[in-house]
Amino acid sequence: ETGVTQSPTHLIKTRGQQVTLRCSSQSGHNTVSWYQQALGQGPQFIFQYYREEENGRGNFPPRFSGLQFPNYSSELNVNALELDDSALYLCASSFEGGGNTIYFGEGSWLTVV
Amino acid sequence: KQEVTQIPAALSVPEGENLVLNCSFTDSAIYNLQWFRQDPGKGLTSLLLIQSSQREQTSGRLNASLDKSSGRSTLYIAASQPGDSATYLCAVSPFGENTGFQKLVFGTGTRLLVSP
Repeated sequence: ETGVTQSPTHLIKTRGQQVTLRCSSQSGHNTVSWYQQALGQGPQFIFQYYREEENGRGNFPPRFSGLQFPNYSSELNVNALELDDSALYLCASSFEGGGNTIYFGEGSWLTVV
Repeated sequence: KQEVTQIPAALSVPEGENLVLNCSFTDSAIYNLQWFRQDPGKGLTSLLLIQSSQREQTSGRLNASLDKSSGRSTLYIAASQPGDSATYLCAVSPFGENTGFQKLVFGTGTRLLVSP
């Protein structure tokens, strides 16, 4: 049990639509990051938020955006969905003084048809 | 650009065997290296974290080593059990990035199957 909860667990969207994925972290986890994991691949870093501000981004286009809220929840938004966006989306969080330990959620499976 | 490679991609062993999973990375400028376990369709569970100044970490039947100069890490699993069956992922935290230690660069994993 990592204390990181993601929703929904599975969803199917149509190409061109928009999707919002949600993540809830433990109290005090002020850093959250999102990863995309395609089938058979390792996770790819999308971006990171620290105290509600984005402070790092991987090689993903602007249609991938996020938000972090004061209650330690966060969102990943993807606009204009493409077939290649089909993947497992993982949320991870950590807290200062946590010894660099990162806690991952179970992920949200997104299928774009 | 940091790249992480894991060998082998898949491994099948009988229960009780000791085994070694390998991870290599191209840039030795890292904060730390971590090994994760991922069960099918699930999230990641952190197994071991080795800081850049450390050489190894141990947890139960697991031992991970780090040789930064050669860009290599190994995960040793002693007396393997069927419950160890999963994908094992290696990840490094690149040094010098302003994103902090949560920006991890992952390998593609080693899929392990331990048969009874």
